[in-house]
Amino acid sequence: DTGVSQDPRHKITKRGQNVTFRCDPISEHNRLYWYRQTLGQGPEFLTYFQNEAQLEKSRLLSDRFSAERPKGSFSTLEIQRTEQGDSAMYLCASSLYSGHNNEQFFGPGTRLTVL
Amino acid sequence: AQRVTQPEKLLSVFKGAPVELKCNYSYSGSPELFWYVQYSRQRLQLLLRHISRESIKGFTADLNKGETSFHLKKPFAQEEDSAMYYCALSGAGGYQKVTFGTGTKLQVIP
Repeated sequence: DTGVSQDPRHKITKRGQNVTFRCDPISEHNRLYWYRQTLGQGPEFLTYFQNEAQLEKSRLLSDRFSAERPKGSFSTLEIQRTEQGDSAMYLCASSLYSGHNNEQFFGPGTRLTVL
Repeated sequence: AQRVTQPEKLLSVFKGAPVELKCNYSYSGSPELFWYVQYSRQRLQLLLRHISRESIKGFTADLNKGETSFHLKKPFAQEEDSAMYYCALSGAGGYQKVTFGTGTKLQVIP
């Protein structure tokens, strides 16, 4: 499978614990996006990278959230001191940005449940 | 600020009937508009984008800057069209984030 992959697919944690999700984009895609999706809502932008540089971060992303893409390939999203409100589907997408084409390819998502 | 509004959470149509999924947007510059689709148990995928002016699976969408709309249309619905449809917007040139609407579930009744 050469599509975007995410790990784990499901995560159940207790409030206050830290969690880390991984996203592997399509090979050679230079852009990588993180979204959060809750029930009945569309994907909500969190942050995105172009290569290893984090270019934009949503104001919704509190200090408890951090994302990295250290070598411009895979990315991790960490949530510290999880809260019940963090329960959601976390989606990753990648694209090969060329100035006029920014089609995003989505992964299957990681479903987080905070008890 | 950029915003995408999809007023219908659910749209039910009979097979063979025309479909129109509404999308209105708010953006101060020149937007790029997209429709994404998510079939049952599948990941989100791009259906079409306004700059391509193409028809995918019989669907078309025209950007109306005067009405700030990008409605998705298909003349004859098929059962396999049943899915969640999301309208999305980004700034021209792709430098800005992509904002999604809340989605419309299309249900095609046999």
